[in-house]
Amino acid sequence: QVQLVQSGAEVKKPGASVKVSCKASGYTFTDYYMHWVRQAPGQGLKWMGWINPNSGGTNYAQMFQGRVTMTRDTSISTVYMELSRLSSDDTAVYYCARVPRDGDYIDYWGQGILVTVSS
Amino acid sequence: SYELTQPPSVSVSPGQTASITCSGDKLGDKYVCWYQQKPGQSPVLVIYQDFKRPSGIPERFSGSNSGNTATLTISGTLAMDEADYYCQAWDTTTVVFGGGTKLTVL
Repeated sequence: QVQLVQSGAEVKKPGASVKVSCKASGYTFTDYYMHWVRQAPGQGLKWMGWINPNSGGTNYAQMFQGRVTMTRDTSISTVYMELSRLSSDDTAVYYCARVPRDGDYIDYWGQGILVTVSS
Repeated sequence: SYELTQPPSVSVSPGQTASITCSGDKLGDKYVCWYQQKPGQSPVLVIYQDFKRPSGIPERFSGSNSGNTATLTISGTLAMDEADYYCQAWDTTTVVFGGGTKLTVL
């Protein structure tokens, strides 16, 4: 069965960076794009960008351009999302989410990672 | 940038029909999907490509999309359907989510 297992919760200080991971299993890793979506406490879903695990190509939401980097390691079916210059506004649950190559919807979500930014 | 607008809240009595709207410029020209999110859980896809239901989603969930408005309809609403619902579409190469609607079943 498809599983997206994310790394554990993180606590960071303002100005620091965080790198979180998402390990995929149960399907061919390179056949599906991986997106990242975040959700601040009590707020809605905010799309951050995607990575094509096959080529490594990426597309980031404008609001995160210059601060976010998405990478992958095909040998272990894992994608990573690194966010730099953290502020308290970045406190949120971060989800990885799978999208079919020719699809336009998220069919599986990771369990989410709480990233807390606090001095 | 493209925006999707949802009502913040919708209330429905058990057994009745709930309708949640999602509005955007020429939204009918795009595919819309809907996610259900219960407290402390990851979202779950309930409708994709306007009206299709993923395997395992009950038939009481249906969708439509025309003009500037997409609608998620839940027929015979159950207490377990109480959740936040988000619409989503693509704007060229970027993904856009609606602000979310809290469905209360009372």
